[in-house]
Amino acid sequence: KAGVTQTPRYLIKTRGQQVTLSCSPISGHRSVSWYQQTPGQGLQFLFEYFSETQRNKGNFPGRFSGRQFSNSRSEMNVSTLELGDSALYLCASSLGLAGGPNGELFFGEGSRLTVL
Amino acid sequence: AQSVTQLGSHVSVSEGALVLLRCNYSSSVPPYLFWYVQYPNQGLQLLLKYTSAATLVKGINGFEAEFKKSETSFHLTKPSAHMSDAAEYFCAVRNTGNQFYFGTGTSLTVIP
Repeated sequence: KAGVTQTPRYLIKTRGQQVTLSCSPISGHRSVSWYQQTPGQGLQFLFEYFSETQRNKGNFPGRFSGRQFSNSRSEMNVSTLELGDSALYLCASSLGLAGGPNGELFFGEGSRLTVL
Repeated sequence: AQSVTQLGSHVSVSEGALVLLRCNYSSSVPPYLFWYVQYPNQGLQLLLKYTSAATLVKGINGFEAEFKKSETSFHLTKPSAHMSDAAEYFCAVRNTGNQFYFGTGTSLTVIP
């Protein structure tokens, strides 16, 4: 069974640009959560999508957005990139809502974004 | 508000020695607690979870953690460290709104 797949694995952007990251969950999983990982802040929750609906949102500015498609694949977008957006962006899928009875998180390897 | 504090961003132990990674949480209600491990250039992998059943939870790779409500702690232990245990370890709490809050992580180094 294939795991969580994130693309691209590495990317470099410049300030002011926008970026789209993709996450393909484990087959059958309906929830996709996104996290930002930085050395100083650790993992910070961005948002969770379940059945194409955003179910939870973390404390990030509106420049960070996401969506989920009918096949449960998810994308997140960051507009008007800032230097501080440089981070490892992790996607996690779960069968049910994250943390719930069927909510064990399975993580992808992440997309490492560098903003110059 | 939920939060998780991991004491010690770096821990070094000798191979064969006891591993103890500390985690304290703040929660107004009994939480769900988790430990995850992250190997270099990989995502996070679930080690174990506490869901209000037994207070001593056994996980993979010989790790276990004990939930102590009076101390609001959920420390991770392993009796004998192995070189392959070198990784980053994260404690996490899930709140009633199903949001996960992760600690800032503890990097474990195992000295041969």
